[in-house]
Amino acid sequence: QKEVEQDPGPLSVPEGAIVSLNCTYSNSAFQYFMWYRQYSRKGPELLMYTYSSGNKEDGRFTAQVDKSSKYISLFIRDSQPSDSATYLCAMTTYSSASKIIFGSGTRLSIRP
Amino acid sequence: DAGVIQSPRHEVTEMGQEVTLRCKPISGHDYLFWYRQTMMRGLELLIYFNNNVPIDDSGMPEDRFSAKMPNASFSTLKIQPSEPRDSAVYFCASSVADTQYFGPGTRLTVL
Repeated sequence: QKEVEQDPGPLSVPEGAIVSLNCTYSNSAFQYFMWYRQYSRKGPELLMYTYSSGNKEDGRFTAQVDKSSKYISLFIRDSQPSDSATYLCAMTTYSSASKIIFGSGTRLSIRP
Repeated sequence: DAGVIQSPRHEVTEMGQEVTLRCKPISGHDYLFWYRQTMMRGLELLIYFNNNVPIDDSGMPEDRFSAKMPNASFSTLKIQPSEPRDSAVYFCASSVADTQYFGPGTRLTVL
């Protein structure tokens, strides 16, 4: 079993829809949780970063962490075609300056 | 800042040849990471350095892979000899504090 599980998709939704992306994990020692966005033929870029459980909002993006269920989510409101990318969840026991475990990524497509 | 710089962007080589990938981290960043990304295995950490010193190389798949960081502004990942299963996109990332910044990657094809 992988430490981090993520549905690879692809996920296709119409413009303006709310998107929900999810990951589950097995290591209860994970403390820092991240979402990276990767456009085609580019490197991943950090989108959201949260510590421990709870919610964090940044514009149209909301990250949720439920440590009791070992489940994290990323919500995208009012989705735009420019949000079309692969989204990777990531987590680590220390800070993100150390070893990060990535999910396999979910490919998202927003239809105009 | 120009961000993390990687070269070459594309590399095509034949099985058995030596391949050297290069990375220039963002100035002032004290951590450097090498990753490999494939469709089958996703994004995998190969090795990372702190202040030019290798901290964890447990992700390096075989002795054919080696990485060096001779100074704070340069790192190399070498594969010798290369094999077709090494074909992947190799990313370098650097960080200070809590955020890793990735380079554009080197797409390696071993024939």
